[in-house]
Amino acid sequence: NAGVTQTPKFRVLKTGQSMTLLCAQDMNHEYMYWYRQDPGMGLRLIHYSVGEGTTAKGEVPDGYNVSRLKKQNFLLGLESAAPSQTSVYFCASSYLGQGNGDEQFFGPGTRLTVL
Amino acid sequence: GEDVEQSLFLSVREGDSSVINCTYTDSSSTYLYWYKQEPGAGLQLLTYIFSNMDMKQDQRLTVLLNKKDKHLSLRIADTQTGDSAIYFCAEARGSTLGRLYFGRGTQLTVWP
Repeated sequence: NAGVTQTPKFRVLKTGQSMTLLCAQDMNHEYMYWYRQDPGMGLRLIHYSVGEGTTAKGEVPDGYNVSRLKKQNFLLGLESAAPSQTSVYFCASSYLGQGNGDEQFFGPGTRLTVL
Repeated sequence: GEDVEQSLFLSVREGDSSVINCTYTDSSSTYLYWYKQEPGAGLQLLTYIFSNMDMKQDQRLTVLLNKKDKHLSLRIADTQTGDSAIYFCAEARGSTLGRLYFGRGTQLTVWP
């Protein structure tokens, strides 16, 4: 099993450009999450999904959109990138919700720089 | 407050014990987690504790939970240089199933 994979690993954008980050998991997990990690800020939840075809907002959803058309994939879109979106983005998945003692499995991260 | 609180830095000498502290926010949180992040990598689950437990031990790791004070700690015995990493405390709040709330992380540095 590959676990959780993310593409791309690195990306540099200019302000106003758009892009999509792809997350894929092969563990048949229901729940998927997108986080951003900024220095000294820990992880902040952007959006998450509790199953195929569903999405929900996290703590910092503005400027991002997501889609979960297939159970194994969770896409994060930036429609018009801003320098404030420079960050490391992590995708995670879990079989159950976190109220059940279930582990979240994390991808290796995407380092995004917006100039 | 609404944030999960952790001290940002801890330095210890190899062979000593490390204690990383965390204060969480929701007295109805069901599970509390410790994740480890090594440089350039994602987070990996170290251990977790259910809210009806006071202590959990797993080899070199001991988790203590004080529900009255909403305080969680992670003790690493015989700390090794390979334990150098960022450690995140996280809570699964009772009202928001499916989500974790993370602290800012504690950077543990182990000196030889």
